[in-house]
Amino acid sequence: QVQLVESGGGVVQPGRSLRLSCAASGFIFNTYGIHWVRQAPGKGLEWVAFISYDGGDKYYADSLKGRFTISRDNSKSTLYLQMNSLRPEDTAVYYCATVEEPYSSSCVYSWGQGTLVTVSS
Amino acid sequence: QIVLTQSPSASASLGASVKLTCTLSSGHSSYPIAWHQQSPEKGPRYLMKVNSDGGHSRGDGIPARFSGSSSGSERYLTISSLQSEDEGDYYCQTWGTGFQVFGGGTKVTVL
Repeated sequence: QVQLVESGGGVVQPGRSLRLSCAASGFIFNTYGIHWVRQAPGKGLEWVAFISYDGGDKYYADSLKGRFTISRDNSKSTLYLQMNSLRPEDTAVYYCATVEEPYSSSCVYSWGQGTLVTVSS
Repeated sequence: QIVLTQSPSASASLGASVKLTCTLSSGHSSYPIAWHQQSPEKGPRYLMKVNSDGGHSRGDGIPARFSGSSSGSERYLTISSLQSEDEGDYYCQTWGTGFQVFGGGTKVTVL
């Protein structure tokens, strides 16, 4: 059974950095692309970034390019999101989620439980 | 840029059916979409994928009373035999190389 466990969230001051992690199990991690999706309090879902199964392709939401970096360590079955120059509007629950099919960049399929990031002074 | 439009809210009585609509922006009527459910205070859950020809495939463990269909640029999610646990927000999503887009969500209330 697919399990995705996010960690690393917390309260951070504006302008600071934070790194989120997503530990995966229950599937062959190095064959699946993975997304980060966020949800601001009381708002809808917003796609953040995607990384392909081998890390060779990375895509970002236009509004976040340059501040956020997605990466993965297939030897540890772990996904990361490095967030720099954080702003109050980055406050959200951050979810990691696998794609539906291996070796693809298809829709979000299996979701983690999320980790809350609060950007506030 | 693809835009997905959803009605903000929908409601139906316990045991009845409700049909949610997700509309793809002009020029993008061939795109498939996925439906996700988010119960109150919980994370999202994948329900199904709906293709432009109306074919759909449910995720693991999703009951058959959830079904999908399509007409032109509209994609639908029908929930039959509504149960109280079906209350929540429903999001549609589409994708392509280098992007993923979510609709604004529809809040479903079971009366």
